[in-house]
Amino acid sequence: DQQVKQNSPSLSVQEGRISILNCDYTNSMFDYFLWYKKYPAEGPTFLISISSIKDKNEDGRFTVFLNKSAKHLSLHIVPSQPGDSAVYFCAASDTSGTYKYIFGTGTRLKVLA
Amino acid sequence: DTGVSQDPRHKITKRGQNVTFRCDPISEHNRLYWYRQTLGQGPEFLTYFQNEAQLEKSRLLSDRFSAERPKGSFSTLEIQRTEQGDSAMYLCATRVGDNQPQHFGDGTRLSIL
Repeated sequence: DQQVKQNSPSLSVQEGRISILNCDYTNSMFDYFLWYKKYPAEGPTFLISISSIKDKNEDGRFTVFLNKSAKHLSLHIVPSQPGDSAVYFCAASDTSGTYKYIFGTGTRLKVLA
Repeated sequence: DTGVSQDPRHKITKRGQNVTFRCDPISEHNRLYWYRQTLGQGPEFLTYFQNEAQLEKSRLLSDRFSAERPKGSFSTLEIQRTEQGDSAMYLCATRVGDNQPQHFGDGTRLSIL
């Protein structure tokens, strides 16, 4: 039972263009969502988060959008840079409990110079 | 280095042996999580500690797995009688309080021969 889904295993984008990574969830109890970036041989690194009371959160080049009715969130990276090439994981949490995260399977982003 | 520290980074062992991993959290982070990640998947929750109390265990944590956090600081994860299916990356994450993201260590990669 995959509660968090990232349906695109990979994505290639030209440097300077926008990268859009998508994530869908099924559990309506989730109220806190995050994006992590992972390089090979390293642990996931926190990028940005959003609470269910918001529909958008911005941090520099990164923006996360949340559509609660569609149970969908997306991460926008503008402009994309070669250093952004990594695997991106979407995570969701029900904050009424232990704040454990349920992760998607990841999207490998490749930014082409 | 003030990040989450995990030791060892790699562990190779024969099937049937016992292994123990250690996680040292960021100072003052009283919430600690263990996750397991296999190839092509996102991290999966194993267990959660608040200070020294183990408050949640996933059904993934079979009887062969045990985790401790004796003084509310570092934590250990032990796997007894290892099996081929235990081969994975074991990740530790900590956070300081509500609405704060989890910070991950670089993990321990376990390979079972």
